[in-house]
Amino acid sequence: NAGVTQTPKFQVLKTGQSMTLQCAQDMNHEYMSWYRQDPGMGLRLIHYSVGAGITDQGEVPNGYNVSRSTTEDFPLRLLSAAPSQTSVYFCASSYDREETQYFGPGTRLLVL
Amino acid sequence: SQQGEEDPQALSIQEGENATMNCSYKTSINNLQWYRQNSGRGLVHLILIRSNEREKHSGRLRVTLDTSKKSSSLLITASRAADTASYFCATGQTYKYIFGTGTRLKVLA
Repeated sequence: NAGVTQTPKFQVLKTGQSMTLQCAQDMNHEYMSWYRQDPGMGLRLIHYSVGAGITDQGEVPNGYNVSRSTTEDFPLRLLSAAPSQTSVYFCASSYDREETQYFGPGTRLLVL
Repeated sequence: SQQGEEDPQALSIQEGENATMNCSYKTSINNLQWYRQNSGRGLVHLILIRSNEREKHSGRLRVTLDTSKKSSSLLITASRAADTASYFCATGQTYKYIFGTGTRLKVLA
């Protein structure tokens, strides 16, 4: 199993550009989530999904959209990038909401 | 605001010593998890303790949970240089996990 994969590993955007961060898992996990981590900080929950077709907002959802058309994929879309979105983004999945979360390697995003 | 707050923010110990870090939280939880993050890397799950459990062990790790005090502690015994990392607690509430700001542990050889 590949576990949780994220692409790209690193991305530079200009203010106002849009992009999609990809996340996929091959463990048939129902629960998936996106976090951002800023320097010296913990992770903050952006959006999460409890299954295909079901998504909900976390702590810091503004400026981000998600969708969950399949169990495997959970892409995160930045609608109009801003410098405040410069961060490291982590995707995670778990069998259900009360089990161990498995994290992807992260995507480093720099918005100029 | 952060749900979980780790204490201390930073800890430096000698190899072979024990390291203890604490996590406090504000609201009721379903479970609490501890993660390790090496510099510039993703998070690795260490241990999960459910709200009806008081203590769990995994190798050199010992986690306690006191729901009356809304706090948890992580003890790493006989620390090694390879334990140098940041450690985070994450509290599970319904469908969300809220992470603390972490404890940076440095183990000196």
